[in-house]
This record gives sequence, structure tokens and C-alpha cells, in this order.
Amino acid sequence: DAEITQSPRHKITETGRQVTLACHQTWNHNNMFWYRQDLGHGLRLIHYSYGVQDTNKGEVSDGYSVSRSNTEDLPLTLESAASSQTSVYFCASSSHRGETQYFGPGTRLLVL
Amino acid sequence: DAKTTQPTSMDCAEGRAANLPCNHSTISGNEYVYWYRQIHSQGPQYIIHGLKNNETNEMASLIITEDRKSSTLILPHATLRDTAVYYCIVTDDYKLSFGAGTTVTVRA
Repeated sequence: DAEITQSPRHKITETGRQVTLACHQTWNHNNMFWYRQDLGHGLRLIHYSYGVQDTNKGEVSDGYSVSRSNTEDLPLTLESAASSQTSVYFCASSSHRGETQYFGPGTRLLVL
Repeated sequence: DAKTTQPTSMDCAEGRAANLPCNHSTISGNEYVYWYRQIHSQGPQYIIHGLKNNETNEMASLIITEDRKSSTLILPHATLRDTAVYYCIVTDDYKLSFGAGTTVTVRA
């Protein structure tokens, strides 16, 4: 069955380290998204991509970057992790029509 | 994107219908109404969406008022597994903007 996966599911890192969170989908979807969710808040959009080589900033993109070298993957990189980036990160994808976003299980990141 | 207003929380009895309201008074003509839910610690799950007409699928029904300024999500027979945060979102593109949603607790 087609699916969307995230790895790792849990990560502890130290302030200042570079961290990459993986997102992989097997639906061949054009659109992919990264969100973060903090306690007591809804999801906030970090970055998104509408296709290979396309990337766009969302509302909370500072300190994060993404690259889209193929259809299946959109890795999220924290260039220099900060304690404020402790959060749960969700990846999502949707087809070119964009009607439904399918979400991954999330990655819990703790920055010490 | 237009903003939405939802009640913070609501309770529902198991087996009864749950009616979740959403106000979107500034919605524009080409914006859709989407509903997602998030069960504790999981990724959000798509429920239903619509533009003008009422919609129904295996999970829920969506009733949109004629002026499109509000909508209601109906879970016809709520179960304990429907306990979740429900998000009403209006958008005209691929991006979703999540608010705080409504925390729905289904009680036995």
C-alpha cells in the first residue's frame, strides 16, 4: 500500500547541531509539506514543495531548509538546532489537485 | 486564507450525532471548506471538504450555509474513537492553515 513515512520517529540533539528529518511518500504526489506542532497550538507550515526542484517558505521557515531532488522525498534540515525548535514535526503530501493532504506519523524532536 | 472560528471544546454522547460548527464569514468565492481531525499524538486525518454544496462520505457530512459564511460537520454516530481535535480550514490553494480547532470528547 502507498504510504508516507517519517524518520526518525524520535530524536534528541544538542543546540547548534545540524539535524535532518526524512519524509518519504510512495503515492507519487507532486505536493509535499512540512509542519511543526507545539503544545497547545495547531500545526504551522514550515516549507512546502509543488514538485521536483521547487521549494517555498511557509510561515515559520527561519532556521529550516528543504530540498526536493525527487518526487518521493522532502528532507527537512535544521541548520543549527535551537531549543525553540523542540517540537513535533509532521510531513504531508497531496496530489497535483491538492484536494487531500496525507500526513505522516510525526517526528518528536528534542533540542537540549 | 480566510480565518475560521470554532468552539474550543464540546462533549458528545457515544452513539449520538456530533454537530461541529465553524464560522468563516470572510470566505471568498473560490475557497473550499476542509475538515481534518487529529487523534492524540497522530498526524492529522482528512475528513471531508466542500465548496458550496453539502457533502457526505463514509466518515461524515458537511453542511455549508447558502451564504457560505458558516458550516457544520456532522459525525452521525459518534464513537469513542472519534475523540479528537477537529480543524475547520478554508483555502483556495494547496496549503492548509490550522487554527486551534475544537476538542471533541465522546463520552460513553
